Amino acid sequence: AQSVTQPDIHITVSEGASLELRCNYSYGATPYLFWYVQSPGQGLQLLLKYFSGDTLVQGIKGFEAEFKRSQSSFNLRKPSVHWSDAAEYFCAWGAGRRALTFGSGTRLQVQP
Amino acid sequence: GAGVSQSPSNKVTEKGKDVELRCDPISGHTALYWYRQSLGQGLEFLIYFQGNSAPDKSGLPSDRFSAERTGGSVSTLTIQRTQQEDSAVYLCASSPRGTGGSYNYGYTFGSGTRLTVV
Repeated sequence: AQSVTQPDIHITVSEGASLELRCNYSYGATPYLFWYVQSPGQGLQLLLKYFSGDTLVQGIKGFEAEFKRSQSSFNLRKPSVHWSDAAEYFCAWGAGRRALTFGSGTRLQVQP
Repeated sequence: GAGVSQSPSNKVTEKGKDVELRCDPISGHTALYWYRQSLGQGLEFLIYFQGNSAPDKSGLPSDRFSAERTGGSVSTLTIQRTQQEDSAVYLCASSPRGTGGSYNYGYTFGSGTRLTVV
């Protein structure tokens, strides 16, 4: 089935440490890929998106993601995490005329 | 408006009652989406409106759920005979164009309506 998977339900990192959140998709072709962040009590905010071209995409708040076709992955990274990055992160994919399909999310906790 | 507005922000209802959730999208956005987020779960697609086209209802979980969009703007999601498993946060999003073009613009989400069925 066409889907997106976030294998990590919960991740804890120390402030200042690097971060990588995993996302794998299952689709016959290259879908449109997105990362959204949901801070406590907030709506979802778009961090970045990938359609085609350069496989490393830059987003807001210092985040980046790399599309790897061979691994069907679109992992989100940040070199140095800040306490304000604590939130839930969702990977999403879209193709054709479908509404976006979201993963189950990864909750990030940042330790001081 | 400046953003996607949803009301009420919180709703507590008794099992078996009907509820209506409202979404006011960004002015000029032709596409409108409803998602449901249950505790500890990702976002579950419910329904999608694009302009005057017939809505994509493929995500509605049962015939107790329905939605309409009047005048291409405000949308109402109605849940009839609510059940405890309907408790969730209901999120609305809008985008400037339909699905293909909306990928370029992204979705703008509202803050959601937290529905609790007791």
